[in-house]
Amino acid sequence: GNSVTQMEGPVTLSEEAFLTINCTYTATGYPSLFWYVQYPGEGLQLLLKATKADDKGSNKGFEATYRKETTSFHLEKGSVQVSDSAVYFCALSPKSGGNKLVFGAGTILRVKS
Amino acid sequence: DTGVSQDPRHKITKRGQNVTFRCDPISEHNRLYWYRQTLGQGPEFLTYFQNEAQLEKSRLLSDRFSAERPKGSFSTLEIQRTEQGDSAMYLCASSFLAGGVGDEQFFGPGTRLTVL
Repeated sequence: GNSVTQMEGPVTLSEEAFLTINCTYTATGYPSLFWYVQYPGEGLQLLLKATKADDKGSNKGFEATYRKETTSFHLEKGSVQVSDSAVYFCALSPKSGGNKLVFGAGTILRVKS
Repeated sequence: DTGVSQDPRHKITKRGQNVTFRCDPISEHNRLYWYRQTLGQGPEFLTYFQNEAQLEKSRLLSDRFSAERPKGSFSTLEIQRTEQGDSAMYLCASSFLAGGVGDEQFFGPGTRLTVL
């Protein structure tokens, strides 16, 4: 079946630190991959996506590369800000089956000034 | 604001009561999805519609759950005879499918259900 595993949190970093949140997946075929973010008190928002192997998604300084060999889609940012504090969800969408999303459990990121 | 809206935002009910939630998608979005999220977990897929047709239901959706999308616009999710295990955040999302893959789903703020 389809599943997503992401690193447990919370992850606590100082401002301007480098961020990595690991995400690996299990899927039939080659799904599309996503990172969603949920800021405090807000709904889920798409952060970035990649639809095929070796694609790199990027947005707001965040980036992630679709690695078919390692079935991974790790989220990185070179210099985090306090405003990046949120819950980050890795997700996949199978190419068939209505594009429904399969989410990981989420990783809480806390950035301290 | 023309995003996805959900009503109510919070619902507290007693075990055994029926509840109904409403989702208004972004206009002209032809796909509408329902997910359920419990504390500390990611959202789990429940069901989705393309226009007015319900195309898939998760095994999570027991017989007590029913969803509709009359006329392909807003959708309702009803839970009959609620149980404490139904307490969760119910999320609605919509997207526009034009034959591609990886279409972005836009999420609403959710309805938080508490069953006492």
